[in-house]
Amino acid sequence: AQSVTQPDIHITVSEGASLELRCNYSYGATPYLFWYVQSPGQGLQLLLKYFSGDTLVQGIKGFEAEFKRSQSSFNLRKPSVHWSDAAEYFCAVGGRSGGFKTIFGAGTRLFVKA
Amino acid sequence: DTAVSQTPKYLVTQMGNDKSIKCEQNLGHDTMYWYKQDSKKFLKIMFSYNNKELIINETVPNRFSPKSPDKAHLNLHINSLELGDSAVYFCASRTGTGSTDTQYFGPGTRLTVL
Repeated sequence: AQSVTQPDIHITVSEGASLELRCNYSYGATPYLFWYVQSPGQGLQLLLKYFSGDTLVQGIKGFEAEFKRSQSSFNLRKPSVHWSDAAEYFCAVGGRSGGFKTIFGAGTRLFVKA
Repeated sequence: DTAVSQTPKYLVTQMGNDKSIKCEQNLGHDTMYWYKQDSKKFLKIMFSYNNKELIINETVPNRFSPKSPDKAHLNLHINSLELGDSAVYFCASRTGTGSTDTQYFGPGTRLTVL
């Protein structure tokens, strides 16, 4: 079955500290992997995506993610967090299997303290 | 020049009523979606249309009926509203496949059923 697990419901980091949000997936074929961010009261915005090739993917707002097939993981990282990064982050998986349906994780809420 | 727009932004109604949410995208995309985000932020796909044809129909009560008059519009009609229908409903449109595959989300419609 296709699924996405984000083990951390919420994470708190200090401004300027590094960040890593975890994501594990289960998918029967080659996955397309995504990270989205949702600010309060807003829709989802795509941060980055992985389809093939280089397993380290760069995104907007200084985020990057690394695809590790052996661990079925696609963790999101940022070297230095800004207060404006406080939001909900969603990992998602999709692909040709399942008619390009995208499955979302439950989300990780990021709090940033001064 | 909003890419994906939804109306209304907020909808408060009584149980048993019938209501509609409208979605429009001006991106020229062929595929559109409806997602439901519950109070725990879990995002679940409901329907997907490609060029006005239904291609994904998840296990959704038949009180929910999507309608796509043209490929730029995907409306959601809900009959006999129930308390459990309270959620935020997101419309999205999608372009491309493979490395160009990107979903663009609308701002959401917060539905509250009293």
